[in-house]
Amino acid sequence: EAAVTQSPRSKVAVTGGKVTLSCHQTNNHDYMYWYRQDTGHGLRLIHYSYVADSTEKGDIPDGYKASRPSQENFSLILELASLSQTAVYFCASRTSNSGNTLYFGEGSRLIVV
Amino acid sequence: GDQVEQSPSALSLHEGTGSALRCNFTTTMRAVQWFRKNSRGSLINLFYLASGTKENGRLKSAFDSKERYSTLHIRDAQLEDSGTYFCAADTNAYKVIFGKGTHLHVLP
Repeated sequence: EAAVTQSPRSKVAVTGGKVTLSCHQTNNHDYMYWYRQDTGHGLRLIHYSYVADSTEKGDIPDGYKASRPSQENFSLILELASLSQTAVYFCASRTSNSGNTLYFGEGSRLIVV
Repeated sequence: GDQVEQSPSALSLHEGTGSALRCNFTTTMRAVQWFRKNSRGSLINLFYLASGTKENGRLKSAFDSKERYSTLHIRDAQLEDSGTYFCAADTNAYKVIFGKGTHLHVLP
């Protein structure tokens, strides 16, 4: 069974502070993703990566940076957290082989105050 | 940009009945995935289709890339089917984008 682990699972951050959300997968998957979920918006793609040491911008990258230091790890960084970044964040991975689905972590709930 | 339009946004069904969820795409997609968000908030994969149809128990999904849509049919709905269902589309080899979800409420 695919395993994607996110940390922290929940965090309260102060406006203007730095937040790092971490994602670790043990599936040997090439592709990794960060999404945020807000009520009424479904899941929106922030950043993704198809190989270590490389990241790509998704549909809503502003205010976020991503880092893929290894195949297993993919971090989402909020340098200056803002109230509008309060959301649930999901990490996912999948293999580069065709016909394969996304495997999601349990989500990280971020509240910015 | 590429978009996934999911409908309906909310749906109520009585136990034992069925219905269909639909996703329309603004461009040709390579594949579609359907997920259900469970009570713990986890996203569980239901189907992955590059074409045609797949069936699993009371669920059946279809994907027509040429006509730019996918459907998820639920038959004989049960209380435990309640939750939020999402479709997601592969826009290229790497990028996957989601619809806004359908909140399904199964009534006794």
